[in-house]
Amino acid sequence: NAGVTQTPKFRVLKTGQSMTLLCAQDMNHEYMYWYRQDPGMGLRLIHYSVGEGTTAKGEVPDGYNVSRLKKQNFLLGLESAAPSQTSVYFCASSYGPHDLMPGEAFFGQGTRLTVV
Amino acid sequence: AQKVTQAQTEISVVEKEDVTLDCVYETRDTTYYLFWYKQPPSGELVFLIRRNSFDEQNEISGRYSWNFQKSTSSFNFTITASQVVDSAVYFCALSISGGYQKVTFGTGTKLQVIP
Repeated sequence: NAGVTQTPKFRVLKTGQSMTLLCAQDMNHEYMYWYRQDPGMGLRLIHYSVGEGTTAKGEVPDGYNVSRLKKQNFLLGLESAAPSQTSVYFCASSYGPHDLMPGEAFFGQGTRLTVV
Repeated sequence: AQKVTQAQTEISVVEKEDVTLDCVYETRDTTYYLFWYKQPPSGELVFLIRRNSFDEQNEISGRYSWNFQKSTSSFNFTITASQVVDSAVYFCALSISGGYQKVTFGTGTKLQVIP
């Protein structure tokens, strides 16, 4: 049981390059999330999904796109990377859609992205 | 809008000392949930506890205890007899009813336990 797996773990991009971060969970969770963690700012929600085929914007969605074609996978794309997107990215998943009382969210180990 | 404040950016204690991590929250909702997560040096966030706004009973789990006080809007976390393995960043978080898309995280407190 791997839980939540993120790939890659580290990446350096040049400004303007594109990339996709992959998140995979094997717990059959309905809800999946992408957060970014920046020094002194805690975690901020980028996008989330409440089920296969659905996505929604979070607090800081600009510059990112997501897709949830399969229930177990949640992809985060950067079409044209900018230095402001240098951050640590976390994927998480949790039970739903009847999750009116949020339970435990399971997090991946993070992806450290540097945009130069 | 909700807000979570963890005023302590970094704390250092000597092993076996007790340490309390403070968390103060703001919300206008009457139904909400509070969480603590641990982020060890390996990077992942590990769920520690969830409390709902209707349950002010304090909780103890081994060396960990949590004090929830609605009167002061606080949800403090105490580690008794700290150990080196407790060294991590600890996040407090608040959610109004709903999924994690409505969770607001604090900025975290980095705890260093010195042997």
